Amino acid sequence: AQRVTQPEKLLSVFKGAPVELKCNYSYSGSPELFWYVQYSRQRLQLLLRHISRESIKGFTADLNKGETSFHLKKPFAQEEDSAMYYCALMGGTYKYIFGTGTRLKVLA
Amino acid sequence: SAVISQKPSRDICQRGTSLTIQCQVDSQVTMMFWYRQQPGQSLTLIATANQGSEATYESGFVIDKFPISRPNLTFSTLTVSNMSPEDSSIYLCSVGPDRNTEAFFGQGTRLTVV
Repeated sequence: AQRVTQPEKLLSVFKGAPVELKCNYSYSGSPELFWYVQYSRQRLQLLLRHISRESIKGFTADLNKGETSFHLKKPFAQEEDSAMYYCALMGGTYKYIFGTGTRLKVLA
Repeated sequence: SAVISQKPSRDICQRGTSLTIQCQVDSQVTMMFWYRQQPGQSLTLIATANQGSEATYESGFVIDKFPISRPNLTFSTLTVSNMSPEDSSIYLCSVGPDRNTEAFFGQGTRLTVV
């Protein structure tokens, strides 16, 4: 079955601390993985995708096919990173499968 | 990029009634998607709406409950029919993704059924 799992509903870290939001997936083929973010009172928007291999707002994510993971990381959290983060998988039909999301709170 | 206007942004409806949600895109797009996000849950795809053909529904969603229109390449509607409190959710319209672009989302419609 195709599935995206984000085990943490809430993650609280202090400003300047490292952040890792976990994402594991189950998919029989070669999926594309994404992280979407929703800041307070804003719409859902793309943060990064594994194909581009880029760092956005200091965040990176590496696709680990052996562990079927796509964890989102940032070495030093900032207060403006507080948001809801969704890991998503796209299979061959342009449809997303979303995880349940992790709310990140960065404490001052 | 694509800018999506979705309305209404929220509504409180009586059970047994229907609500139509509108989604307007500022550019022509082939595929539009409708999602539901129940409280504390993930975004779940309801259906894919292509212009000129019937919408394709995901498992667990049926046309009688969630009829969709797609009259042109920039507009779609989703109707939530014969509502019950279990339909209380956020409903989201989306365009994309395809192999080259990201998905863009509307701001969502927060529906409460009483």
